[in-house]
Amino acid sequence: DTEVTQTPKHLVMGMTNKKSLKCEQHMGHRAMYWYKQKAKKPPELMFVYSYEKLSINESVPSRFSPECPNSSLLNLHLHALQPEDSALYLCASSQGQGASNTGELFFGEGSRLTVL
Amino acid sequence: AQSVTQPDIHITVSEGASLELRCNYSYGATPYLFWYVQSPGQGLQLLLKYFSGDTLVQGIKGFEAEFKRSQSSFNLRKPSVHWSDAAEYFCAVGGWNNDMRFGAGTRLTVKP
Repeated sequence: DTEVTQTPKHLVMGMTNKKSLKCEQHMGHRAMYWYKQKAKKPPELMFVYSYEKLSINESVPSRFSPECPNSSLLNLHLHALQPEDSALYLCASSQGQGASNTGELFFGEGSRLTVL
Repeated sequence: AQSVTQPDIHITVSEGASLELRCNYSYGATPYLFWYVQSPGQGLQLLLKYFSGDTLVQGIKGFEAEFKRSQSSFNLRKPSVHWSDAAEYFCAVGGWNNDMRFGAGTRLTVKP
């Protein structure tokens, strides 16, 4: 069983809708990630939060807005999306910085987003 | 920045045959290397990882990988493939800065 939980598993939204994807982990990890994965492609890094601060933003369009309310939670707010944003959105966590950090990511099952 | 190359987009092997999936990386320092597997519509599961020490690492489901610094490679192997191994396999490189990058992936098909 995965220890990173993502909700919802499936989401269908129109281009004018506002929705959010949620991710939760209880492993005490201090880094959390959003990846976007299109069909038959590798995951692409979108955002990294380290100790609840945004540390990496891979030039993602502003219609995607990440939020890290605390060290266990990560949200991705969606607004005015385009059909090409339809994809599997994967959340992951890792230990965070420090001598013991090995960068190993623990992934959730993903949220399948369809934009109509 | 680090990068990963998986030269084989698609590989087909017969059940019971041996398997080797290739991975080459580019990284300025000592890399942290990973192999993940993904079944259709699922998240990614870690097969094995290399951080330091013994260059031959064992993973789950009978997989192993060998780190070769001189060749910048981290190839994944399995002596005998099972039909349930059919999936997408991703090699990844990361480091202390929490910046993991994935290769393009290799899709494995297993023939009966």
